[in-house]
Amino acid sequence: EAAVTQSPRSKVAVTGGKVTLSCHQTNNHDYMYWYRQDTGHGLRLIHYSYVADSTEKGDIPDGYKASRPSQENFSLILELASLSQTAVYFCASSDDRAGQNTLYFGAGTRLSVL
Amino acid sequence: AQSVTQPDARVTVSEGASLQLRCKYSYSATPYLFWYVQYPRQGLQLLLKYYSGDPVVQGVNSFEAEFSKSNSSFHLQKASVHWSDSAVYFCALSMTNSAGNKLTFGIGTRVLVRP
Repeated sequence: EAAVTQSPRSKVAVTGGKVTLSCHQTNNHDYMYWYRQDTGHGLRLIHYSYVADSTEKGDIPDGYKASRPSQENFSLILELASLSQTAVYFCASSDDRAGQNTLYFGAGTRLSVL
Repeated sequence: AQSVTQPDARVTVSEGASLQLRCKYSYSATPYLFWYVQYPRQGLQLLLKYYSGDPVVQGVNSFEAEFSKSNSSFHLQKASVHWSDSAVYFCALSMTNSAGNKLTFGIGTRVLVRP
């Protein structure tokens, strides 16, 4: 069974503070992704990675950094959290065949920035 | 740029009734198309996907979808819904010429099944 685990499941942060969201996958997948979910916008891609020690910008990367220290782990970092970054964040993984494979999602992290 | 439109934000149906969720896409070629479902407090799970061939694809839990190139659509259907089908349903596309599986999602349709 594919497994993507996110931590924490929820977090309250203060404006201007640093936030790190973590993701761990046991699927042996090359690709990992961070998506953001907002009401009225569906899911939007923030960053993704296809190999350890390398990350790529997605559609909305501003205000976010990503880190892929190993194949299994992928972190999303908010250096200076802002109110507009309140959202639900999903991590996902997939293998490397272009376009065709299923994304396996974690359960999400609900972030509230106050 | 590619896009996915789900015109219905909310749909309410009675248990046992049929369900159709609409999805229109914009892309210069034929994309890979997906339907995902999100149950409360869970991540997204794949229902079905279309790559090529038969335009009608079968998915889990008796869902099916029909691809129409002429209409740029990929509508999801189920003949008889159960209360457990209450969830948010997302249509998504992946470009056929891109490495990786970066998906473009619609905004989702929230389905409420009344007993």
